[in-house]
Amino acid sequence: DTGVSQDPRHKITKRGQNVTFRCDPISEHNRLYWYRQTLGQGPEFLTYFQNEAQLEKSRLLSDRFSAERPKGSFSTLEIQRTEQGDSAMYLCASSLRRGARNEQFFGPGTRLTVL
Amino acid sequence: TQLLEQSPQFLSIQEGENLTVYCNSSSVFSSLQWYRQEPGEGPVLLVTVVTGGEVKKLKRLTFQFGDARKDSSLHITAAQPGDTGLYLCAGGVWSGGSNYKLTFGKGTLLTVNP
Repeated sequence: DTGVSQDPRHKITKRGQNVTFRCDPISEHNRLYWYRQTLGQGPEFLTYFQNEAQLEKSRLLSDRFSAERPKGSFSTLEIQRTEQGDSAMYLCASSLRRGARNEQFFGPGTRLTVL
Repeated sequence: TQLLEQSPQFLSIQEGENLTVYCNSSSVFSSLQWYRQEPGEGPVLLVTVVTGGEVKKLKRLTFQFGDARKDSSLHITAAQPGDTGLYLCAGGVWSGGSNYKLTFGKGTLLTVNP
């Protein structure tokens, strides 16, 4: 049973560079979520896909952030012109709606450090 | 905006002790999920509760959802060093008809000393 995978696990970049992260959800899950987690905080919702459609974006997601899920399978999250405040753990989760449960399963995350 | 308050924020205990972690909100949730997260890793789902008053047991862990579905607790019996980690509660609500949005608390960092 393959869980959610994310790549890379760690990324160090200089301020102003662009970075892209990939998420591969659990294969039968049609819903995919991106979260951001900073030290001492719980994960914060960034955006949500149902199949290939991006249905909701948080106000946290500035115009430097873009996410895609072109074929309804894997997803990418790109950050352009990175800033030091972007340093965080970026988490991906996937789910399959089952009544009221809709449990979300998380990947291991990508730790981004912006120097 | 739903907010979840977790308490205590930090907890350090000796092996064999019992403990309870609380998760409180003024908002009603469709479900409440508990996760455990280890450093540098993603959260791992422990349990989901959906019915007010529901109690679920997972070995030495007991989870309860409040009658009004606004709060939850996690009780660990005879804690072991392997229980060490960040415990996160997350309340779920439907948003915009199809997005099931999770709101997370800040977590309780548990350390169990041998």
